[in-house]
Amino acid sequence: KAGVTQTPRYLIKTRGQQVTLSCSPISGHRSVSWYQQTPGQGLQFLFEYFSETQRNKGNFPGRFSGRQFSNSRSEMNVSTLELGDSALYLCASARGGGLTDTQYFGPGTRLTVL
Amino acid sequence: AQRVTQPEKLLSVFKGAPVELKCNYSYSGSPELFWYVQYSRQRLQLLLRHISRESIKGFTADLNKGETSFHLKKPFAQEEDSAMYYCALEGGGNKLTFGTGTQLKVEL
Repeated sequence: KAGVTQTPRYLIKTRGQQVTLSCSPISGHRSVSWYQQTPGQGLQFLFEYFSETQRNKGNFPGRFSGRQFSNSRSEMNVSTLELGDSALYLCASARGGGLTDTQYFGPGTRLTVL
Repeated sequence: AQRVTQPEKLLSVFKGAPVELKCNYSYSGSPELFWYVQYSRQRLQLLLRHISRESIKGFTADLNKGETSFHLKKPFAQEEDSAMYYCALEGGGNKLTFGTGTQLKVEL
């Protein structure tokens, strides 16, 4: 069974630009969560989508948005990039969201903002 | 607000020695707790969860509600245990709150 895939793996942008990251979950998984990982703040929850609906949201500004498609693939968008947005962005997929669910993480997209 | 604290950034032990990675949490409800591990050049993966009461790769973790702790333990460290370990709490809806992680280094 193929794991969670994320594209692109590396991205370099400049301040003020916008970026879209993509996540393909494991087949059959309907929940996709996004996390930001930085050396200073560690792993922080961005948001979670389930069946095309945002079900949970972390404490990030509105510049961070996402969506989920009917095939469960998810995209995350960051507008008006800032230097502090440089991070590893991880997505994780799960079947449906119960406490017995396991989240499977992708390899991440490394975003560098210059 | 939910919070997870891992007080040690780095823990260095000798092979064969016992290991204890500390994790304390703050949560008003009844949390579900996890340990995730990231080996070098690999993706983050689940090691074990409290609800399963399982032992994975010789690791166990006991939830102590009185001390709000979920420490990870292994009686005899192996070289292949060297990795980054994250304690995480789920308060509901697949939202994981992670600790800052502890780098475990097992020396020969």
